[in-house]
Order: sequence, then C-alpha cells, then structure tokens
Amino acid sequence: KAGVTQTPRYLIKTRGQQVTLSCSPISGHRSVSWYQQTPGQGLQFLFEYFSETQRNKGNFPGRFSGRQFSNSRSEMNVSTLELGDSALYLCASRLDSNNEQFFGPGTRLTVL
Amino acid sequence: QKEVEQNSGPLSVPEGAIASLNCTYSDRVSQSFFWYRQYSGKSPELIMSIYSNGDKEDGRFTAQLNKASQYVSLLIRDSQPSDSATYLCAVNYGSGGYQKVTFGTGTKLQVIP
Repeated sequence: KAGVTQTPRYLIKTRGQQVTLSCSPISGHRSVSWYQQTPGQGLQFLFEYFSETQRNKGNFPGRFSGRQFSNSRSEMNVSTLELGDSALYLCASRLDSNNEQFFGPGTRLTVL
Repeated sequence: QKEVEQNSGPLSVPEGAIASLNCTYSDRVSQSFFWYRQYSGKSPELIMSIYSNGDKEDGRFTAQLNKASQYVSLLIRDSQPSDSATYLCAVNYGSGGYQKVTFGTGTKLQVIP
C-alpha cells in the first residue's frame, strides 16, 4: 500500500507571496492532519480534516488554511508569507478508528 | 506549560547498550501514546504505540506506560548506530470527532560504535 505523498518536496518563496501544498493520504485513510516543524518549536499542529470538513484547528493565524477533497486529498495554503513561515510542513493520515498517524515526506518551505 | 515534555539530549549510549528515552505529559485523560523516530532531514516514522499501563514489546523496542505517574518511556535494547535519530513522544487525548495529538520536542539519541 502506498504511503502518504506530499508535493512539492521543496519550495522557495519570497515574503508576501502565497503557497499551496498538497497531500495524498494512504488509501482508505479519511483523516488528514497538517503540522509545521521548526527547530525551535518542534512539531506544531495546524489542523485536521475529515470527510472534507475541518475537524480540529491549532493556534495558527488565519493566513494558514486548508481544505480536503472528496477523495481525501488535502491542500494547505499559506497567504502573505513571512520569514517565520520557513519550515518543514508535514501531512499525516490515519484511519478514523485508529489514532496511529503516518507521515508523508514533508514539504520544505523557505521564505526569503 | 508544555503538554508533553522530553529531555532534548543528546543521549549518548555505546553500541549494544540499552537506550532509555523518557516522556512526561500533563493531561490526565490522555488515552493513546506514541513513539516516532525521525532521522535528520526525514519525516517522523511511527515505531510504537501503547494504550494501556504496562509494557509493550516489539523486537528491540519496549514502550512502558504509567498513567498514574503520567509517564511513558521507550527502551531500545542492543542499540545500533542506525538507531541514532531524534525520538518524538506523542500523546493523544479526546475521542471521536475531537482528538488532539501533541508532540514533545524530541530526544536526540546518539549510538556510539
């Protein structure tokens, strides 16, 4: 069974731009969560989607948004990029009946 | 106050020794506990999950949970240089539609050949 995939793997943007990241979960997994990982803050929860609905949300500003499609694929958008948004963005999927999350390879975002 | 605490390390152990990684959490209603391994530049990989008090063994790995003390640990027996990585403790609480997973900042393990 294929794992979680994320595209693109690397992105370089400048301040003020916006970016969209994509995540395809493991087949059969309907829950998709997004995390931001930085050396100083560790893994921070952004939000979780299930059946095209945002189910949980972390403490991030409204510039961070997401959505999920009917095939469970999810996208995350960051608008008006700031230098501090440079991070590894990770997507994780799980079966709703099980709390075990499986991570994709991540998207490394650099904001210049 | 952080919800999941881990010693950042590095924890250095010689090859073949037992590595002991510890994690404490603050939420008494937490239900599920996980250990992830993350190699430098890679994403976290789930290596153990534990849901009830006691020990759970999987190969060279043993997870230990003590809910009364709000403490979860990971033992790695016969440590190998390939075990050198950052180990993340994750705690899940809630049920049904509302569940939150909180990660510790990780303990860096170095296995010395």
